[in-house]
Amino acid sequence: QLQLQESGPGLVKPSETLSLTCTVSGGSISSGSNYWGWLRQPPGKGLEWIGNMFSSGTTYYKASLMSRVTISVDTSKNQFSLKLSSVTAADTALYYCARHSGGFRDWGLGTLVTVSS
Amino acid sequence: DIVMTQSPDSLAVSLGERATINCKSSQSVLYTSNNKNYLVWYQQKPGQPPKLLISWASTRESGVPDRFSGSGSGTDFTLTISSLQAEDVATYYCQQYYDNAWTFGQGTKVEIK
Repeated sequence: QLQLQESGPGLVKPSETLSLTCTVSGGSISSGSNYWGWLRQPPGKGLEWIGNMFSSGTTYYKASLMSRVTISVDTSKNQFSLKLSSVTAADTALYYCARHSGGFRDWGLGTLVTVSS
Repeated sequence: DIVMTQSPDSLAVSLGERATINCKSSQSVLYTSNNKNYLVWYQQKPGQPPKLLISWASTRESGVPDRFSGSGSGTDFTLTISSLQAEDVATYYCQQYYDNAWTFGQGTKVEIK
């Protein structure tokens, strides 16, 4: 059973960079034709896709976030990461990592990131 | 980006009655090369991550009760709960992955009347 777990600071200051890591267990991040994605959900609001990394290493990002987002992978640690620069209060949300194969099938529990000074 | 619009935003249904949620995409999410709709449905209960219910617009995932069904093609899709149970209280989202800019509907909150 694949498990994903997000980790990273719960509080980030405005204008700084949000950095989160997703650790995958129960399977290899390098195997299969999977997308490894980051999504977020502001408190009380809907889901927003941030971006994906395909197992080949190709990345895709939401256009409105593209200038600030980087998704990368560390296959040796079976992890993938999210960096979001120049954050504002609008980036406060519950951040999820997930595996997509014909739909997001496996999710982490999410980690709340608050942007505040 | 493809805009996904769900209706209604919320609905209250009596136990045992039918609940119907609609999802409309601003352009077709049907790949004619394989005749598949790149459209899925999720259920999200409070405090939990979303759960994949339906893939390819109409394929129920393993373990999902058969009271859940998906239909539609192209730009218009429907999620139906044939007989609402108390455990179905949740917010439901459609999502398209037709192109490289994946998008979700705004969600539909289902409650018991």
